[in-house]
Parts: sequence; C-alpha cells; structure tokens
Amino acid sequence: EADIYQTPRYLVIGTGKKITLECSQTMGHDKMYWYQQDPGMELHLIHYSYGVNSTEKGDLSSESTVSRIRTEHFPLTLESARPSHTSQYLCASSSRAGTEAFFGQGTRLTVV
Amino acid sequence: AQSVTQLDSQVPVFEEAPVELRCNYSSSVSVYLFWYVQYPNQGLQLLLKYLSGSTLVESINGFEAEFNKSQTSFHLRKPSVHISDTAEYFCAGGDNAGNMLTFGGGTRLMVKP
Repeated sequence: EADIYQTPRYLVIGTGKKITLECSQTMGHDKMYWYQQDPGMELHLIHYSYGVNSTEKGDLSSESTVSRIRTEHFPLTLESARPSHTSQYLCASSSRAGTEAFFGQGTRLTVV
Repeated sequence: AQSVTQLDSQVPVFEEAPVELRCNYSSSVSVYLFWYVQYPNQGLQLLLKYLSGSTLVESINGFEAEFNKSQTSFHLRKPSVHISDTAEYFCAGGDNAGNMLTFGGGTRLMVKP
C-alpha cells in the first residue's frame, strides 16, 4: 500500500491569495514529483526533486515553486493564485527515476 | 528519451464486452511499462507493470497486458468489463537509464449498461 498523502483534497480560494499544497510520503523515496492535470486531460510534470535541496522545473512552465528540505516532504506554493491556476495537482514519489511512481489522492484547486 | 502513445482518447463499450486499450512506446534502452487507473477526483493507482520476465502481466481485477517488443506495444485488455471499470487509464514507460517516467495522454474507458 502506497503511503503518500496530499492536503488539502479540495481548496477554493480567492484571486491573489498565497497557498501551499502539502505532499508527504513515508516510503523514504528520494524522487518526488508534482503534476498538473485538467479534468479528463493528460498529466503535465511541473516540478521534480531527486533529493533534499534538489528541485527542478518540469516540462510545463508553472508559476508555482517547490522546496525539498526533508526527504518526506515536498510542498508546492503559489504566491498569488489566479483563476488560470484552477486545476488538479498530483504529487508522486518513486525510489528511482523511470520506475514505478506512487501517487497521492490529489488536490483539486479552484481559484475564484 | 521514451515516448508513450495511447492511440484512443475514449473507448465506449457495453458491460460484459471485451475491451482493449492500446499503448505504443518508443525507446532505445531497456523498458519498464506500467498501466495506471484513475477514478474521478482521485490520484493514479498502479494497475499492472512489466519490468522483465514473462511478457504477459495480470492484475487482480481481471486486466492483463502483454509486452510486445517487436511491435513496441503494451496493450491493456479485459475479456469482460464492468460498470465499475469506467475510469481514465494511463500507460507509462520508464527505463534504467535514469530518465523520468513518461506518461501517455490517457484513454477514457466508458462502460455502458
């Protein structure tokens, strides 16, 4: 059973607010990822990390930022949310790049 | 780098009918292949995986996929679908060269009564 958790599951906020989406895993995985997914659409990698103090931008440009201060924790922050940020955000982790990734339940963000 | 293509964006099928969801990959290195399922408002759950060995892999809920190296395919099949199989299915490919897991665009399986 995968142990990767995202909070909150659903979030509705106003434009201009700062938000942080939390992601934690208890599997000791070095690799962690953030994907953005619009309803019924494909996954877009927006950030990844290969270990503590290592973060990289993914294929899809995003105004969000991430940090990796602890192995188990990979939060995503939006400094000033806009309606265009409305989407589902999925966090994942793996023991090695290119191998099985474990996903959290996702955070559905709505910016009004 | 890998690329993964899912040939059908939507597959409508009647309950108890067989179904095949198609996935093709391209890679010049050893491949790992995966099928994930995503139910509405959920994350992705691993359905089955091919790492090595037997080319036919099965899941606990009746799905199976066959790794076909000559056709570079990893199609997902089920002989008789249920309403509860309605979901989005993602094929993904990885390798042992340190490259990122690559996802296909997804196929929406819609099972009708």
